[in-house]
Amino acid sequence: AQKVTQAQTEISVVEKEDVTLDCVYETRDTTYYLFWYKQPPSGELVFLIRRNSFDEQNEISGRYSWNFQKSTSSFNFTITASQVVDSAVYFCALSVAGGADGLTFGKGTHLIIQP
Amino acid sequence: DAGITQSPRYKITETGRQVTLMCHQTWSHSYMFWYRQDLGHGLRLIYYSAAADITDKGEVPDGYVVSRSKTENFPLTLESATRSQTSVYFCASSESPGLAGLQETQYFGPGTRLLVL
Repeated sequence: AQKVTQAQTEISVVEKEDVTLDCVYETRDTTYYLFWYKQPPSGELVFLIRRNSFDEQNEISGRYSWNFQKSTSSFNFTITASQVVDSAVYFCALSVAGGADGLTFGKGTHLIIQP
Repeated sequence: DAGITQSPRYKITETGRQVTLMCHQTWSHSYMFWYRQDLGHGLRLIYYSAAADITDKGEVPDGYVVSRSKTENFPLTLESATRSQTSVYFCASSESPGLAGLQETQYFGPGTRLLVL
């Protein structure tokens, strides 16, 4: 069975600080995808990024960056120069090959950016 | 370009009543999913469908029924609502598994907030 752990239930930082959200996953499969989703206060789930297990390259998109390390089974998400609009709940998720039964989600990290 | 929509967005019902939550997607995605989101549990899969007329149980299927007569629609029915089914329900869709059979990115609807009194 798969498992995703987001140990940080809530993080509060002041605007412009950098913040990293941790995600640790467990799977016996060697082929899998990892995802991050954002859930702003309005409630919808917004897809941010997908990485496959074959590609450990880090990715940067504007102020967002993701660090994928298979050695530690982690897929951490960093927001640089945080802004109030980044306030949301962020979910890490995992899917495995042949696992057509949906995504396995972590319980989410509530990020609060204070002005 | 509507994407994926859910209706109603909010619903209040009473214990024992039947409730149907609707989900419609315009991408012609073959896969569709229903999740529920509860505090302390995150998102949990209720049912999913790989194609029209093909459905299967997820992690928490008890008390729910689904059908998929058309590719674009995937309704979720609570046959006899209970208070424990008070939750936010999300529908999602994705393309068929691609690389090495990996489940593709799921795109979510806006959610339905259900309150069972």
